[in-house]
Amino acid sequence: GENVEQHPSTLSVQEGDSAVIKCTYSDSASNYFPWYKQELGKRPQLIIDIRSNVGEKKDQRIAVTLNKTAKHFSLHITETQPEDSAVYFCAASPRGGGSTLGRLYFGRGTQLTVWP
Amino acid sequence: SQTIHQWPATLVQPVGSPLSLECTVEGTSNPNLYWYRQAAGRGLQLLFYSVGIGQISSEVPQNLSASRPQDRQFILSSKKLLLSDSGFYLCAWGQGDPNEQFFGPGTRLTVL
Repeated sequence: GENVEQHPSTLSVQEGDSAVIKCTYSDSASNYFPWYKQELGKRPQLIIDIRSNVGEKKDQRIAVTLNKTAKHFSLHITETQPEDSAVYFCAASPRGGGSTLGRLYFGRGTQLTVWP
Repeated sequence: SQTIHQWPATLVQPVGSPLSLECTVEGTSNPNLYWYRQAAGRGLQLLFYSVGIGQISSEVPQNLSASRPQDRQFILSSKKLLLSDSGFYLCAWGQGDPNEQFFGPGTRLTVL
């Protein structure tokens, strides 16, 4: 099955700096890559996603890049703010039918801390 | 718009007691449904997923079970809880391919 590796496990940055979280995946059939943000005690929230036919996607201060050849994708947060502090999860979804359709394989998460 | 509900929000149960957690989705039909568990400070562990009524796939062997008695209802159960069952239980729904998944508010379970 799919295996998603996420690095780093913890990341501390100064407010205003950029933060980058990287993930790799193993299944070349994966075609959907979402990112989730989970604040302490809350549910994970989908913040951005990218599909395999796109190399980069931006939404205000966040962007995601995908390199299908190398099987890695990254989350970039610019001009970080204290409210960006949270755990971020990447995931990959293999294309497939039947009972595996729509399953997400998650990375282990990155604890991002933004210091004011 | 779609909404996902989970209850109860918090639960404290003794070891060996039964468990029933419920998840319902509104505003969509025939969703894929998922149960995840998150131990304190850890990642998301997929427990069960379902692509339709009565269709359950289990990811890890354990003393938990899941059922989907109705299209938009997903239930997580146990006959006898273990200390290791403590955690944050999240239900999620998704539809289509590629699969955006949306999480419910979660149930925080403490087994004493």
